[in-house]
Amino acid sequence: ILNVEQSPQSLHVQEGDSTNFTCSFPSSNFYALHWYRWETAKSPEALFVMTLNGDEKKKGRISATLNTKEGYSYLYIKGSQPEDSATYLCAHSNAGGTSYGKLTFGQGTILTVHP
Amino acid sequence: DVKVTQSSRYLVKRTGEKVFLECVQDMDHENMFWYRQDPGLGLRLIYFSYDVKMKEKGDIPEGYSVSREKKERFSLILESASTNQTSMYLCASSLAGGNQPQHFGDGTRLSIL
Repeated sequence: ILNVEQSPQSLHVQEGDSTNFTCSFPSSNFYALHWYRWETAKSPEALFVMTLNGDEKKKGRISATLNTKEGYSYLYIKGSQPEDSATYLCAHSNAGGTSYGKLTFGQGTILTVHP
Repeated sequence: DVKVTQSSRYLVKRTGEKVFLECVQDMDHENMFWYRQDPGLGLRLIYFSYDVKMKEKGDIPEGYSVSREKKERFSLILESASTNQTSMYLCASSLAGGNQPQHFGDGTRLSIL
């Protein structure tokens, strides 16, 4: 995988459903994987930064896992609420860009939670 | 809290104009970035800077230049605006290192007529 790819592109769920989406990234020269949430009319907000294979992070009902050997990360939302509706972006940093913090972003997954 | 401030939320300019987008951060961050966001394409990096007067091209630098004369301020310049530069522009800043979260401004929606 040369680029950062996210799936699905969009997702519609009912309030209370749990959901997950995927981020795939190049596994060579891996340094860090970021997740951001971008709500309409707001600026993107950092959710997690993960660096270690097997890392798991949690923030309230949202959690993320990381597999650097195979190059993927999952974001999970438990018991989705309408306020979780947003675009979820993942971004990859490789070891070559360490000192600059350069990120390559995926296209995002648009989540809509229906009441 | 980190504050990243972009000078305008909405801007309308004409083809051929020189356009300046300004970004200021208040947390003494080393890194600053300019992205554009277009439907279906995600955030694409235009330029970034890792120190005062230092800059690096991102993935789509053509038609743009940047200036970082002071640590807190990073300017994006459209030398001669064209209609294909109509987009949402986002500025971000971070501490040095790829494991540092980026903090974003509210974005500038730029229309080139």
